[in-house]
Amino acid sequence: GDSVTQMEGPVTLSEEAFLTINCTYTATGYPSLFWYVQYPGEGLQLLLKATKADDKGSNKGFEATYRKETTSFHLEKGSVQVSDSAVYFCALSDGPDKLIFGTGTRLQVFP
Amino acid sequence: GAGVSQTPSNKVTEKGKYVELRCDPISGHTALYWYRQSLGQGPEFLIYFQGTGAADDSGLPNDRFFAVRPEGSVSTLKIQRTERGDSAVYLCASSLTGVGNEKLFFGSGTQLSVL
Repeated sequence: GDSVTQMEGPVTLSEEAFLTINCTYTATGYPSLFWYVQYPGEGLQLLLKATKADDKGSNKGFEATYRKETTSFHLEKGSVQVSDSAVYFCALSDGPDKLIFGTGTRLQVFP
Repeated sequence: GAGVSQTPSNKVTEKGKYVELRCDPISGHTALYWYRQSLGQGPEFLIYFQGTGAADDSGLPNDRFFAVRPEGSVSTLKIQRTERGDSAVYLCASSLTGVGNEKLFFGSGTQLSVL
């Protein structure tokens, strides 16, 4: 079945460092890909998405490009802030009814 | 309301008891989803409602789990004869139509602990 694999955390960075969180997927069809974020004490929120190959999703300085050839959707940000500390989930959707999530990657940013 | 509301935020129960978890979606959202998140894992799909009907319940782990949405708004997830393995955070989400790749709005979850 479809699945998502994320790099294990925690990822610990200093403020203004470059961030990459790796995500790869397995799917039989042509899924849409998502990054969701969970800030401390809050519910999951959509960060960005891409619906077809070579699409780039972006939001709040974060970017991810849908790479069909490598089945990847890595999350990047050029300069992280303390306020970016959260758990990040990669997910895919092959239909309207369900998302399949990775296990999540905790990001800790220190001043 | 302003967002998806889930009650209670925490529920502690004993093995074998019955529990109900409530979800109030964003007003006007026709699609409603339940997910379960175990410690250290990502959310796992349980069931999807389109209006009052369960369009996909393939994620319900067994017949002890049941969910309803009788008026197409509030939903209740019901768990009978709870087991310690049911302990997890139960998340509810809603979206406007449930069609395409719409943004899902998640609640903060109910932390269920079965002793």
